[in-house]
Amino acid sequence: ILNVEQSPQSLHVQEGDSTNFTCSFPSSNFYALHWYRWETAKSPEALFVMTLNGDEKKKGRISATLNTKEGYSYLYIKGSQPEDSATYLCACVFGNEKLTFGTGTRLTIIP
Amino acid sequence: ETGVTQSPTHLIKTRGQQVTLRCSSQSGHNTVSWYQQALGQGPQFIFQYYREEENGRGNFPPRFSGLQFPNYSSELNVNALELDDSALYLCASSLGTVTQETQYFGPGTRLLVL
Repeated sequence: ILNVEQSPQSLHVQEGDSTNFTCSFPSSNFYALHWYRWETAKSPEALFVMTLNGDEKKKGRISATLNTKEGYSYLYIKGSQPEDSATYLCACVFGNEKLTFGTGTRLTIIP
Repeated sequence: ETGVTQSPTHLIKTRGQQVTLRCSSQSGHNTVSWYQQALGQGPQFIFQYYREEENGRGNFPPRFSGLQFPNYSSELNVNALELDDSALYLCASSLGTVTQETQYFGPGTRLLVL
């Protein structure tokens, strides 16, 4: 069984502060990693797809890094805003298998 | 929003019944994947359809079946419902089956089995 772990499970961040959280995965047979942002009562929204060791991607105030050798990815949010409140899901692809999801990090921004 | 729609939004069934959930893919997408998200868990892959053929299946019993139509809409059918089938069911469409392709999710159907 290939487990994708996300930490922390939840966190509260003051508006304006920056934050980051982690996705860990087994490094063997790794193929790709996806980050999704999921607001309550909406569809999960794709943020990044990353495949190469050392990849860094950025979308506005959100960025992500990937380390495939040690099996982790960080998602960073700079200057948190209330609209950043959501669950952030990480999902990995191993070999020819389909997406394996973590359980998510629930982020709440405190105004 | 992603352009992927699902119906119905909510559904209540009783144990032993059958249910059909529907998904309308984003225009031009030839691949649809279905996921089950139980409470407190991440989404679990059920199966994927590519050009109307099943293209990979997760660890779900045969009573979970699917169809994809020429217009790329799709259905998830579950027979002989069990209490543990209560979950949020998500579909996601994409261009092609390579799993580094971005997947576009619908809002989900929440199924409650009593």
